[in-house]
Amino acid sequence: DGGITQSPKYLFRKEGQNVTLSCEQNLNHDAMYWYRQDPGQGLRLIYYSQIVNDFQKGDIAEGYSVSREKKESFPLTVTSAQKNPTAFYLCASTQSPGELFFGEGSRLTVL
Amino acid sequence: SQKIEQNSEALNIQEGKTATLTCNYTNYSPAYLQWYRQDPGRGPVFLLLIRENEKEKRKERLKVTFDTTLKQSLFHITASQPADSATYLCALDTGGFKTIFGAGTRLFVKA
Repeated sequence: DGGITQSPKYLFRKEGQNVTLSCEQNLNHDAMYWYRQDPGQGLRLIYYSQIVNDFQKGDIAEGYSVSREKKESFPLTVTSAQKNPTAFYLCASTQSPGELFFGEGSRLTVL
Repeated sequence: SQKIEQNSEALNIQEGKTATLTCNYTNYSPAYLQWYRQDPGRGPVFLLLIRENEKEKRKERLKVTFDTTLKQSLFHITASQPADSATYLCALDTGGFKTIFGAGTRLFVKA
């Protein structure tokens, strides 16, 4: 089945460590996104990419980094510079502006 | 600044009634607006998209209106069912592929 796969589903990190969240899609979509969701809140845009080898900062990019070397992959690295990284992270993709397809999310907890 | 507002308070309704959720936005001129459903611990699922030149759109028991003068969208679920209980998110395209979300409104449908 076509879709978006995020891994790991749960991740624990010690303070000062970088962690990378994986996002893979087989929908052949050009655009991909990373959002962060805190309890009881909406989605906030971290980074998005319209095409391979190109990406733009969203509203809360500080402390995060991404790469888009392949069309189907858009990994997110949460760096030690992110002061409050505990959150639910969602990856999405779309072929044209409009309907976004989301993965099941990765929950990161800083110990 | 650009802002999307949804009712922060949960909406409680009786089964069979119509649920109406509101999405207001400021400082945007979106080409279209989207509604998503999100269940706890899951990624959002796309429901409907309405374009700026459309006043109303329907899909089964769902209806969305879009008033660009009021900068408001209303989302209706008719003949509501307990299975409709979820968080509903409003989203806007702010140009190109950048899509941002409101905080969502939780809906509880009582049997």
